[in-house]
Amino acid sequence: AQTVTQSQPEMSVQEAETVTLSCTYDTSESNYYLFWYKQPPSRQMILVIRQEAYKQQNATENRFSVNFQKAAKSFSLKISDSQLGDTAMYFCAFMKPLETSGSRLTFGEGTQLTVNP
Amino acid sequence: GAVVSQHPSWVICKSGTSVKIECRSLDFQATTMFWYRQFPKQSLMLMATSNEGSKATYEQGVEKDKFLINHASLTLSTLTVTSAHPEDSSFYICSARDRDRIHFGNGTRLTVT
Repeated sequence: AQTVTQSQPEMSVQEAETVTLSCTYDTSESNYYLFWYKQPPSRQMILVIRQEAYKQQNATENRFSVNFQKAAKSFSLKISDSQLGDTAMYFCAFMKPLETSGSRLTFGEGTQLTVNP
Repeated sequence: GAVVSQHPSWVICKSGTSVKIECRSLDFQATTMFWYRQFPKQSLMLMATSNEGSKATYEQGVEKDKFLINHASLTLSTLTVTSAHPEDSSFYICSARDRDRIHFGNGTRLTVT
């Protein structure tokens, strides 16, 4: 079974600064997907960024980028130029390929990020 | 972009009654949908995987007779909380798979009094 661990329950950052959220996972699969989701107080799940394990290049989406270390099974999220609207719970998630039996999202415990003005 | 509509967004019901929550994929066909439960400040806990035209697959510890899931069409899955009790009060979220993408509904806050 896959597990996802986020070891930082809470983090805070000053507006305009950079913050990195940690995520590690455990799997025996060689190919899979990794995600970061943002859940603001509205509780809507918003996809921040996604990484395919067979791609060596780290995914980026504007101010959001990941550091994907496949051998170390690490998938950290870096938020640059933090904005007040980035305040939310962030979940790291793992998913096996669709054609694999039991493919579904497995979530970490979450990290509550607060951006301070 | 793909949209998943979840209804109602919030519901209050009396203990002992049943509540149905709908999850619709609006612009794609979803052969697989997922139902999650989330307690305050906690992660999403997968309750069951719903496959169109077949029985849902429940996670260990989830009562299938308590949480009835029906996926009768490629665009609709429903979760019925039967004989609800206050401990069933929670936030329920559905998601639907569109090829290699997962799209989430906005969730339903259930309060059982």
